[in-house]
Amino acid sequence: AQKVTQAQTEISVVEKEDVTLDCVYETRDTTYYLFWYKQPPSGELVFLIRRNSFDEQNEISGRYSWNFQKSTSSFNFTITASQVVDSAVYFCALRKTYSGGGADGLTFGKGTHLIIQP
Amino acid sequence: EPEVTQTPSHQVTQMGQEVILRCVPISNHLYFYWYRQILGQKVEFLVSFYNNEISEKSEIFDDQFSVERPDGSNFTLKIRSTKLEDSAMYFCATGQGQIQPQHFGDGTRLSIL
Repeated sequence: AQKVTQAQTEISVVEKEDVTLDCVYETRDTTYYLFWYKQPPSGELVFLIRRNSFDEQNEISGRYSWNFQKSTSSFNFTITASQVVDSAVYFCALRKTYSGGGADGLTFGKGTHLIIQP
Repeated sequence: EPEVTQTPSHQVTQMGQEVILRCVPISNHLYFYWYRQILGQKVEFLVSFYNNEISEKSEIFDDQFSVERPDGSNFTLKIRSTKLEDSAMYFCATGQGQIQPQHFGDGTRLSIL
C-alpha cells in the first residue's frame, strides 16, 4: 500500500519569508513518481513538478525548489521569498510505475494550507 | 495551453437520482482519470481508464459508479443512485502517456440534497 504524509496542516508566514512544505511517503515499489500540485482558492489543481525515484537531484524553478531524499522517503518543497499569490493548498502525491500498459492513479497527501500574509 | 474541460461546474441533484459528469480531455491524451475531493479533505483516486477500458479502480469506485468514453472525445463518470456522501468536488485528469503528469480539469462540484 502507498501512503503520503503531509504533517503540516497549515502554515502561515509573512510575505518574503522562505517556507518549506514537508512530504514523507511510503511505498513498496522500487520505482515510482512523486508530484506536487497546487490548489489555489479557486479550487483547480495545478501541476508543479514530477520526480522519478531514480533521480535524486534537487530541482529549482524560479522561487520554487524541491529536495528529494530517497534515504528518508521525503520530497520537500521550498518557496523562497514567498508572495501572497503563493497562498494555496499544496498537495504531494505518489504514483507507482507499472511495468505493463495500465494507467496509475495518484495517491495524495492531505495537503498543507499555506497562508502568506502581506 | 490545452486544458481539460469539465461540465457542469456545479451540479445539484436529489438523493437517489443519477448524475453524469463530463470531461473533455486534452486532445492527444490517452490516459483518463477521475478523482474526488470531499470538502476540506484530500484528493482521492476513483478510477483510471486506458484503451477503452478501466485500468485501475479504488475501493470508492463501487457498483454505483461507471465510466465510459462514448464518442471518442468525452469521458464521463456516472453515479447511478446518488447518496448524500457523494457530495464532493469531482476532478477529471488526463495524461499523454503512462508516466506523463496528469493534468486536471477545474472540477465539478456535486451537491446531493
